[in-house]
Amino acid sequence: RKEVEQDPGPFNVPEGATVAFNCTYSNSASQSFFWYRQDCRKEPKLLMSVYSSGNEDGRFTAQLNRASQYISLLIRDSKLSDSATYLCVVNMNTGFQKLVFGTGTRLLVSP
Amino acid sequence: DAMVIQNPRYQVTQFGKPVTLSCSQTLNHNVMYWYQQKSSQAPKLLFHYYDKDFNNEADTPDNFQSRRPNTSFCFLDIRSPGLGDAAMYLCATSSQQGAEQYFGPGTRLTVT
Repeated sequence: RKEVEQDPGPFNVPEGATVAFNCTYSNSASQSFFWYRQDCRKEPKLLMSVYSSGNEDGRFTAQLNRASQYISLLIRDSKLSDSATYLCVVNMNTGFQKLVFGTGTRLLVSP
Repeated sequence: DAMVIQNPRYQVTQFGKPVTLSCSQTLNHNVMYWYQQKSSQAPKLLFHYYDKDFNNEADTPDNFQSRRPNTSFCFLDIRSPGLGDAAMYLCATSSQQGAEQYFGPGTRLTVT
């Protein structure tokens, strides 16, 4: 099983749609979780951290389900500018607290 | 603005010709990382520094070396680049291990 697994997509949605991405992780001891956004040929940029209680930042909501070892990202009212690859990132919490990146889920928002 | 800077943004080198990529940060973060990212793949951690302590990933080839002369700067040396080393090289920093990381814009390396 991969340490961090994501559906590669692409997810094709119209503007204004709501879209959700899931990510599963293998290490039950993992303590911190993040979503990053990466545009084509650019660096990853931190979108949000994921807290146990779930958290929201504008149109973006992140949830954590420790029992099932998955995290989710919900994007409401999609904008054209949301088109990007969304990387799920998990702190493996093994010795050196290494962040492991998923391969990303590609989102394409169309007019 | 505090940031992570990488130079050059684009580097072309010949097969076997040593190349050095540089990274600097104004965030005063303790931890600096080097990642390699190829198309449609996740960033792959090559190594990191926690202050002056160097930590190599087990599967990082010996061809890749790093130096961190001070808190602000970190270098990636590729001693004998092969065609398979063509990739985007990303530098990142974090205030502590396991915390969120902030990336520089990357250096895109082409090997001819």
